[in-house]
Amino acid sequence: AQSVAQPEDQVNVAEGNPLTVKCTYSVSGNPYLFWYVQYPNRGLQFLLKYITGDNLVKGSYGFEAEFNKSQTSFHLKKPSALVSDSALYFCAVRDMGSSGGYNQLIFGAGTRLAVHP
Amino acid sequence: SQTIHQWPATLVQPVGSPLSLECTVEGTSNPNLYWYRQAAGRGLQLLFYSVGIGQISSEVPQNLSASRPQDRQFILSSKKLLLSDSGFYLCARLPGLSGANVLTFGAGSRLTVL
Repeated sequence: AQSVAQPEDQVNVAEGNPLTVKCTYSVSGNPYLFWYVQYPNRGLQFLLKYITGDNLVKGSYGFEAEFNKSQTSFHLKKPSALVSDSALYFCAVRDMGSSGGYNQLIFGAGTRLAVHP
Repeated sequence: SQTIHQWPATLVQPVGSPLSLECTVEGTSNPNLYWYRQAAGRGLQLLFYSVGIGQISSEVPQNLSASRPQDRQFILSSKKLLLSDSGFYLCARLPGLSGANVLTFGAGSRLTVL
């Protein structure tokens, strides 16, 4: 069965410092990987995805993520954090190798990012 | 545009009362539609998904139900609400704004059951 783990409930970073939000996954086939961000009382907004190709993907608001097949990870990164980056971040995976006509998107539990001035 | 409209945005209901949350989508016809619930501002739980009119799949047994009476309309209902039904309900569609494989979410409906 496919699964996603976000090992940190919260990440605290000082403004201007680099940030990393961790994500590991487990699938039987090839993964499609996604990061979403959620601001208070809002729906989830798409940040970036890995489908195939270059392992380093760049997304919205200066975020990037690196697909590491051997470590089954897809960590979210940003070189210089902003206070406005403070939000809840979700990693998600779809197992494109699973059988059946429906490939469900599985979300991690979320990591709360707090960027301090 | 693959816009999603959800209403009401907030709702406070007594235990035992009925519920109807509506989701309508714009854009590509015959989208896959989803209802997720988010409790306590954390993880997402998939409740229902639909691949077409009248086609509903339930992911978890509970006192909620879903219907898709039209291609672009997805409704979440309950005959009698429980306290545990409180949460933030998100409707989503596929394909989405950012591509065929990317879910687009609505702004959500916050339900408080008292």
